[in-house]
Amino acid sequence: DADVTQTPRNRITKTGKRIMLECSQTKGHDRMYWYRQDPGLGLRLIYYSFDVKDINKGEISDGYSVSRQAQAKFSLSLESAIPNQTALYFCATRQQGNTGELFFGEGSRLTVL
Amino acid sequence: KNQVEQSPQSLIILEGKNCTLQCNYTVSPFSNLRWYKQDTGRGPVSLTIMTFSENTKSNGRYTATLDADTKQSSLHITASQLSDSASYICVVSSRAGSYQLTFGKGTKLSVIP
Repeated sequence: DADVTQTPRNRITKTGKRIMLECSQTKGHDRMYWYRQDPGLGLRLIYYSFDVKDINKGEISDGYSVSRQAQAKFSLSLESAIPNQTALYFCATRQQGNTGELFFGEGSRLTVL
Repeated sequence: KNQVEQSPQSLIILEGKNCTLQCNYTVSPFSNLRWYKQDTGRGPVSLTIMTFSENTKSNGRYTATLDADTKQSSLHITASQLSDSASYICVVSSRAGSYQLTFGKGTKLSVIP
């Protein structure tokens, strides 16, 4: 099994619908992140969490919300999806410390029509 | 503002040839720099980490260099293989702000037979 698991892997939805992307990890890391990736723009940080009671906005948090249900679970929600949220979304984990490697999930491809 | 610039944006090389990818950064205070490889449709995976005191580090056919004075890093791929076709992302960690990560937009490498 993968260390970082994202569901769903692919989703097509309509404008205005609520969407939740889920992430679970078995790395035992406290730090979890949500990124989106668009062609030509690279990976951009949406939200991050350093523990269950800690939630922080990234550079592009507008239109998104997150929930850290447990150390191992971090969900990303789009309350009312719009077409420019069509992207590839990645969850990642990282151990504490300055040299920690990011471990990414396989990605969730979201298409908003 | 912390920035990471990668060049070229894309590169096509023949199988068996060598290539070098560049990463210039303006992240301060610098902690470390990682190169990630991202296969199409997959999450990025770390290739190597460079800390302030390291100049060169190899991982198989991949060799990373770091010049902390000029704030430049390179990733050299020797005897390229078709499986090297991927995007290569440079990520720089700052010692400020709980080790903030700044991402480059990546270089897309295509190795053709």
